[in-house]
Amino acid sequence: TQLLEQSPQFLSIQEGENLTVYCNSSSVFSSLQWYRQEPGEGPVLLVTVVTGGEVKKLKRLTFQFGDARKDSSLHITAAQPGDTGLYLCAQLTTDSWGKLQFGAGTQVVVTP
Amino acid sequence: SAVISQKPSRDICQRGTSLTIQCQVDSQVTMMFWYRQQPGQSLTLIATANQGSEATYESGFVIDKFPISRPNLTFSTLTVSNMSPEDSSIYLCSVVTSGFSNQPQHFGDGTRLSIL
Repeated sequence: TQLLEQSPQFLSIQEGENLTVYCNSSSVFSSLQWYRQEPGEGPVLLVTVVTGGEVKKLKRLTFQFGDARKDSSLHITAAQPGDTGLYLCAQLTTDSWGKLQFGAGTQVVVTP
Repeated sequence: SAVISQKPSRDICQRGTSLTIQCQVDSQVTMMFWYRQQPGQSLTLIATANQGSEATYESGFVIDKFPISRPNLTFSTLTVSNMSPEDSSIYLCSVVTSGFSNQPQHFGDGTRLSIL
């Protein structure tokens, strides 16, 4: 099973600043999903990237998938306190249909 | 997307006891999964709940400790047996609603379990 490396583990920033979270692997991703989890809730899907070089935008969030499909990033512009949460990247495993492997997660805290 | 109800939302239990967590979905789903999550950390898959047959467990998790039932396409239970403080964690169920690839998993809000 290929490992998902997510960095950084923790980010604390002021409202209005930008931040980037990274997700990497030594092997090619078939596709990659990004989730956000807020305290007391389950993770919620933000986006799925499939094609190498793909860029997707969700309001102030920009998701990139590397050309070689071995890395992905999540960039948040002008972060707001509502962006606080645990950000997780995940990939479908090859050993069982529908099963996800999650990265270690990045805890983001945006203070007013 | 599916609406997932997980019960209880939290519990405090005594060492050596067992607790059953329920996961109810408002529609039939193809796949159901159970995860464990330490606060602030990522998710670790416990098992895939298979409808009408035994669950498929991940390495490090066994049926005697985490028996799982899935009697139909909308409901599953996870039991945490003979609990110890090391079992204190958040337990989440998730579902996949369609048979297409790259489909997201939809999660319940989790059960926060504390063992004294």
